[in-house]
Amino acid sequence: GIQVEQSPPDLILQEGANSTLRCNFSDSVNNLQWFHQNPWGQLINLFYIPSGTKQNGRLSATTVATERYSLLYISSSQTTDSGVYFCAVGRGSQGNLIFGKGTKLSVKP
Amino acid sequence: GAVVSQHPSRVICKSGTSVKIECRSLDFQATTMFWYRQFPKQSLMLMATSNEGSKATYEQGVEKDKFLINHASLTLSTLTVTSAHPEDSSFYICSAKLTYTQYFGPGTRLTVL
Repeated sequence: GIQVEQSPPDLILQEGANSTLRCNFSDSVNNLQWFHQNPWGQLINLFYIPSGTKQNGRLSATTVATERYSLLYISSSQTTDSGVYFCAVGRGSQGNLIFGKGTKLSVKP
Repeated sequence: GAVVSQHPSRVICKSGTSVKIECRSLDFQATTMFWYRQFPKQSLMLMATSNEGSKATYEQGVEKDKFLINHASLTLSTLTVTSAHPEDSSFYICSAKLTYTQYFGPGTRLTVL
């Protein structure tokens, strides 16, 4: 099956700093989503981005499908950005997603 | 929009009992819902795909007789953990598919004593 690797596994930032999270995947996909899991366990949709670039406020994402990677950019980080960021990919018609192991982000005040 | 609820949020039960978890899409209809399991500090593992009006598709290694899934309507899927044992303790999360995107419920923390 498809392998999904996220890096770095852990990231500690000072408030206001910028960061880039990476997601590599081992095969072609037709679905790629980024999620933020908050400390209470809720997964929050950030982007549906199987290809191209999108921006939403301080967050943006780019997926280069031909090179099998996606990047999530967080600018001017805030303490509320803390949590685990997951990349998930899929390629079936059902929409099944395979999750990476996540990047745990801690933003210090 | 695209809100998914789960009930209960937390349940503690004795070994050998069955527990039912409900997943509802509140403001959209979902032909397809998914059930995941997450162990502490680990990623989400897909357990099964639930399609309205048909049998669920289980991932390899997931016991279909132990984890019963019913998707009786376009807004409700249920997961029943039968004869629960301590090793079934985990965080169970459902999602519902809207076009190409999955939206997740808040999760159910199951503790089996």
